[in-house]
Amino acid sequence: DAGVTQSPTHLIKTRGQQVTLRCSPKSGHDTVSWYQQALGQGPQFIFQYYEEEERQRGNFPDRFSGHQFPNYSSELNVNALLLGDSALYLCASSLDVFYGYTFGSGTRLTVV
Amino acid sequence: GDSVTQMEGPVTLSEEAFLTINCTYTATGYPSLFWYVQYPGEGLQLLLKATKADDKGSNKGFEATYRKETTSFHLEKGSVQVSDSAVYFCALFNTGTASKLTFGTGTRLQVTL
Repeated sequence: DAGVTQSPTHLIKTRGQQVTLRCSPKSGHDTVSWYQQALGQGPQFIFQYYEEEERQRGNFPDRFSGHQFPNYSSELNVNALLLGDSALYLCASSLDVFYGYTFGSGTRLTVV
Repeated sequence: GDSVTQMEGPVTLSEEAFLTINCTYTATGYPSLFWYVQYPGEGLQLLLKATKADDKGSNKGFEATYRKETTSFHLEKGSVQVSDSAVYFCALFNTGTASKLTFGTGTRLQVTL
């Protein structure tokens, strides 16, 4: 049974560009959350999607947006990239949060 | 708001040594507490969890007890192995405030022969 799948694994973008990251949740999971993990830091919550709607949002600017599809997969879009957006972006899925989230291996985004 | 504080690393231990990684939290209500582990180049894996006061989570020889009186959830292992070398994150989930995990900054553990 595949866990959470994220693509691409690595990405290099130029300042000002736009990027889309993708996530397929673990089979049976209907909730997808996105986290940003800067080097040497803990993951920071970006937002969570459930039933194709944004249910909760962290302290991130509107340049960060997302989408959830009917098959529960999700995309994270970042516009007008800044150098400070360089980080590991983690997707996590869950069915019942009390059992914990399942994380993907992440997408390493480098902005130059 | 909710927050998690972990001891700073790196923690360097010899194989078979005893491990403690301290974690304290600030939260309203009754959060669930988690330890996640991140191996080099990988995402986060759930190591153990506890959902109410005095619960003990355990997995792969690691243990942590939810202490509400001291707002702590310290991670322990009696005898570490080289394969335990990783970054360990303490986290909390609080249904009263948000549908998100709040993480500490992580503690890097390096185990040597």
